[in-house]
Amino acid sequence: QSVLTQPPSASGTPGQRVTISCSGSTSNIGSNNVYWYQQVPGTAPKLLIYDDNQRPSGVPDRFSGSKSGTSASLAISGLRSEDGADYYCAAWDDSLSGWLFGGGTKLTVL
Amino acid sequence: QVQLQESGPGLVKPSETLSLTCTVFGDSISSNIYNWDWVRQSPGKGLEWIASMSHSGGTYYSPSLKSGVTISLDTSKNQFSLRLTSVTAADTAVYYCALLAGGIWGQGTMVTVSS
Repeated sequence: QSVLTQPPSASGTPGQRVTISCSGSTSNIGSNNVYWYQQVPGTAPKLLIYDDNQRPSGVPDRFSGSKSGTSASLAISGLRSEDGADYYCAAWDDSLSGWLFGGGTKLTVL
Repeated sequence: QVQLQESGPGLVKPSETLSLTCTVFGDSISSNIYNWDWVRQSPGKGLEWIASMSHSGGTYYSPSLKSGVTISLDTSKNQFSLRLTSVTAADTAVYYCALLAGGIWGQGTMVTVSS
């Protein structure tokens, strides 16, 4: 069972805005940077957001990250069919002295 | 740009030791300020952190996997490795080496534990 809690699924229609949440605690999200990854089945995770809200070069600005207290969110605006994938949040946990991943959210573009 | 590439056997027998190596390209393993990481993903499941190691030798292990897991660096070859002893079918997974704090992952290598 993941200590970072994500909804198992999310969905939206093309053009819509979708938000995926990631809930943690003071020892992880509350005190460390949050990362968001997109994973298409059969491929390695791709970094979408780092340091809570920063986008690597090449990631469209349709993807945005935010954090408040011990929760973080990934927002995808202008949803496109190719956004259908699994999304994971991650953060270092000071109590564990290790990385935590959320359980993943499967995004379906209807 | 740092790139990572995993290598190792695709098939391991139960109770034997799994050994994987990650070769680092584009950076020195001994100077990067971030930790070097191993993550795995069982078929149809989510991502699971296994272990991390700093360039100075500090090691961190997942409590659920700590027994039998060893991460190490070979600075002469610019590689880091994962060793998992007494494997079972539950260790069947895609294993990724990564630089998680830098958002960099290898392509992953599938390891099946089966006799």
